[in-house]
Amino acid sequence: DGGITQSPKYLFRKEGQNVTLSCEQNLNHDAMYWYRQDPGQGLRLIYYSQIVNDFQKGDIAEGYSVSREKKESFPLTVTSAQKNPTAFYLCASSVGQEGYEKLFFGSGTQLSVL
Amino acid sequence: QKEVEQNSGPLSVPEGAIASLNCTYSDRVSQSFFWYRQYSGKSPELIMSIYSNGDKEDGRFTAQLNKASQYVSLLIRDSQPSDSATYLCAVRKTGTASKLTFGTGTRLQVTL
Repeated sequence: DGGITQSPKYLFRKEGQNVTLSCEQNLNHDAMYWYRQDPGQGLRLIYYSQIVNDFQKGDIAEGYSVSREKKESFPLTVTSAQKNPTAFYLCASSVGQEGYEKLFFGSGTQLSVL
Repeated sequence: QKEVEQNSGPLSVPEGAIASLNCTYSDRVSQSFFWYRQYSGKSPELIMSIYSNGDKEDGRFTAQLNKASQYVSLLIRDSQPSDSATYLCAVRKTGTASKLTFGTGTRLQVTL
């Protein structure tokens, strides 16, 4: 089955630790995204990538880093510089004509601070 | 003013009724509009997209877009308890290269 796989489902971070969230898709989509969702708030864009080896900062990129070495994979690292990392993290990929792309989401990773 | 605004709800409707969810956006050059459904603890699921003024129907769902008034709405006919979820409105502005801006969502409760 085609889809977007995020792992782990739950992740705990200790003070000063970097953690990496995995996102893999087998939909052959070019563009991939990372969003953060806090309770009662909308989704906020962290980073996005439209092609391999290229990515752009979203609205809240500080304290995060990404890589896009393969079309299928877009891992997100939450660094120790992100002081408030507790949130629900959503990876997405998109398909469609530029400007009209539809986003499809993975199942999400809940990150909490110990 | 927020770029995309939704009433947080909850919006409570009886089973079988029509649920009407509304969304306003601030940027006139917005070009594509989406409605996502999100169950508690789950990821958003795309249910409707609309790009031009007017109505677009898909089963029990109808999306309505009025670019002059800068609002987009979602109607759910014959509401079912399984429709109880948070509905997120998302808007893409012209020239923003794939960036979607999401509203905070409206929580819908369908009561028996």
